[in-house]
Amino acid sequence: AQTVTQSQPEMSVQEAETVTLSCTYDTSESDYYLFWYKQPPSRQMILVIRQEAYKQQNATENRFSVNFQKAAKSFSLKISDSQLGDAAMYFCAYRATSGTYKYIFGTGTRLKVLA
Amino acid sequence: DAGVTQSPTHLIKTRGQQVTLRCSPKSGHDTVSWYQQALGQGPQFIFQYYEEEERQRGNFPDRFSGHQFPNYSSELNVNALLLGDSALYLCASSLGYRDRGPGANVLTFGAGSRLTVL
Repeated sequence: AQTVTQSQPEMSVQEAETVTLSCTYDTSESDYYLFWYKQPPSRQMILVIRQEAYKQQNATENRFSVNFQKAAKSFSLKISDSQLGDAAMYFCAYRATSGTYKYIFGTGTRLKVLA
Repeated sequence: DAGVTQSPTHLIKTRGQQVTLRCSPKSGHDTVSWYQQALGQGPQFIFQYYEEEERQRGNFPDRFSGHQFPNYSSELNVNALLLGDSALYLCASSLGYRDRGPGANVLTFGAGSRLTVL
């Protein structure tokens, strides 16, 4: 069975600094999607970034980038120039491209941004 | 462009009661998935509806049932509520077909319905 592990329950970063959130996953599939979602106190999950496993190039979205290591089954999120509005729960998620429509989420990392 | 809307936002029930939660998908989306998020946990997949049929179900008992209407909106019903059913219930919409376009397979979430069972 596929699993997603986020080993950092909580992280802190100074405003304007850079922080990296870790995620590892386990799967026997060769093709899949990986996601980072942000959940602020408003509760609505917001997509931060998406990576397709067949793509070698790491995805980037403005200040957010990932380090996708397929062989190591690692998918970390780097937030550059952290802003107060980045404070939230961050969830890593996995979905195989075939045979299932289910997303598998990790337990989340709470990010605190210090002024 | 309206996103995913869910109702009610909060509700309190007692053990043994039944509850119905509602979801309207994002404009242009035809697929609705329901997730349960217990306190301090990540969302857990309950089921997905596409073309008014349950397309896939997660590891949840039959007390959890759903429906999708012709306008793509959906309901989640939970019968015989247990204390352990207390959670945030998230609805997410998406496009039902699979491709490699930028929007494919991306879930758009609502703000959830917070259910408390006493």
